[in-house]
Amino acid sequence: DAGVIQSPRHEVTEMGQEVTLRCKPISGHDYLFWYRQTMMRGLELLIYFNNNVPIDDSGMPEDRFSAKMPNASFSTLKIQPSEPRDSAVYFCASSLVRGGDFEQFFGPGTRLTVL
Amino acid sequence: EDQVTQSPEALRLQEGESSSLNCSYTVSGLRGLFWYRQDPGKGPEFLFTLYSAGEEKEKERLKATLTKKESFLHITAPKPEDSATYLCAATGGTSYGKLTFGQGTILTVHP
Repeated sequence: DAGVIQSPRHEVTEMGQEVTLRCKPISGHDYLFWYRQTMMRGLELLIYFNNNVPIDDSGMPEDRFSAKMPNASFSTLKIQPSEPRDSAVYFCASSLVRGGDFEQFFGPGTRLTVL
Repeated sequence: EDQVTQSPEALRLQEGESSSLNCSYTVSGLRGLFWYRQDPGKGPEFLFTLYSAGEEKEKERLKATLTKKESFLHITAPKPEDSATYLCAATGGTSYGKLTFGQGTILTVHP
C-alpha cells in the first residue's frame, strides 16, 4: 500500500493568495483527518470526515479555511485568503474503524509558508 | 476539555541507557491512548494503541503501559536510530477521531 499521499510537499505563497492542499487516503479507510502542526501549538485536529461526510470541524480556525471530500479517495483543504500565521505543516491522516481498532495513519505533510 | 501532557520535553540518553517517557492525560471516558514516533520532516508513525488500564504492548526496544491517569513509553537499551520525537495522543467519549495530542518528547540517543 502506498500510504496516505499528500500534495504538494512544499508550498510557498504570498499573503492573500488561495492555497489548496490535497490528500489521498489509504484505500478502504473510512475516516479522514486534517491536522496542522506548529512549534507553538503542536499537532491540532482541524476537521475530520467519516464516509466522506464532515463530522467535526470545530478545529478549523476561521472561515478562511474550508475542507471537502468529494469521494472516498480524495480530499482538499483550502485557505482563502492565506495569511502569514497560516504557515505550518499540514498533515492528512486516515483510519479504518474495525472492531476496537482505529489507529490513524499519517501522510508526509505539506509544509506551507505564507510570505 | 481533554488534555494530554508529556514529560520531559527533551531527553538525552547514551546508547544502552534505558529510560521512560511520560504521558499524563485527562480524558473523559478514555477510548484509546496512542503513541506515535515522528522523525524530522516526516509525518507521525503509529507505534501503539492502549485501551484500558493495565494493558501493555511491546515492539522491539519499546514498551508502552497504561494506568488510569498516565501512560509510559519505556525504552530499553536504546540505539541512536531511536532518536525522534515521541507523541502521545488520546481520545474519549464516543469519538473515534478526535485525538488530542501532547507536545511530544524529543529523544536523542548518543552513540
